[in-house]
Amino acid sequence: DVQLVESGGGLVQPGGSLRLSCAASGFTFRNYWMHWVRQVPGKGLVWVSRMNSDGSVRNYADSVKGRFTISRDSAKNSLYLQLNSLRAEDTAVYYCAREVYHYDSRGEDWYFDLWGRGTLVTVSS
Amino acid sequence: DIQMTQSPFLLSASVGDRVTISCRTSQSITTYLNWYQQKPGRAPKLLIYAASSLQTGVSSRFSGRGSGTDFTLTISNLQPEDFATYYCQQTYTIPRTFGQGTKLDI
Repeated sequence: DVQLVESGGGLVQPGGSLRLSCAASGFTFRNYWMHWVRQVPGKGLVWVSRMNSDGSVRNYADSVKGRFTISRDSAKNSLYLQLNSLRAEDTAVYYCAREVYHYDSRGEDWYFDLWGRGTLVTVSS
Repeated sequence: DIQMTQSPFLLSASVGDRVTISCRTSQSITTYLNWYQQKPGRAPKLLIYAASSLQTGVSSRFSGRGSGTDFTLTISNLQPEDFATYYCQQTYTIPRTFGQGTKLDI
């Protein structure tokens, strides 16, 4: 099956760290840009970070820049998000998502066509 | 950052109705606009990409229109499984911002 499965969430104290993982299967992981998106329970979707297919490009939301680090290991078909200096406002479900680049006669498009089920990070003392 | 404004925030409807959700962006994004459906406890699901292209496997009751800064998602003949929260997203630039969501309720 084509799928993404996140893991690594849990309860952590403010100032602590966690490493989230996203295991990809059923497709050629190294060909895709990958993203992390988070969602506070009951609230909307917020983009967090992205990495290109070969790992040479990384982007972050301003709210996590300098604290979170995205990485990937194509040999393990996995995407990671290292969360440091965690704050209460980082509490959320973290999703990984695959971004597709599509090009046809109309032009180019980008969209997230595959999402994992998410992993919950709770930052609390 | 490109701001995304969805309306309404909450939409009440009945089975068989036709509803429209609006998404407005703070600057032109041509057609780099996608729509997702999310049900409680589930991951988002892609419905429409490039403003008007239906994702494979998605019901033709869903349709999208627009370009520039104004976009709409229309759902025809509402079915019980359509009651969910809908998000627009721009992929014109980074950060990939989302609208705040529209909850479609019975």
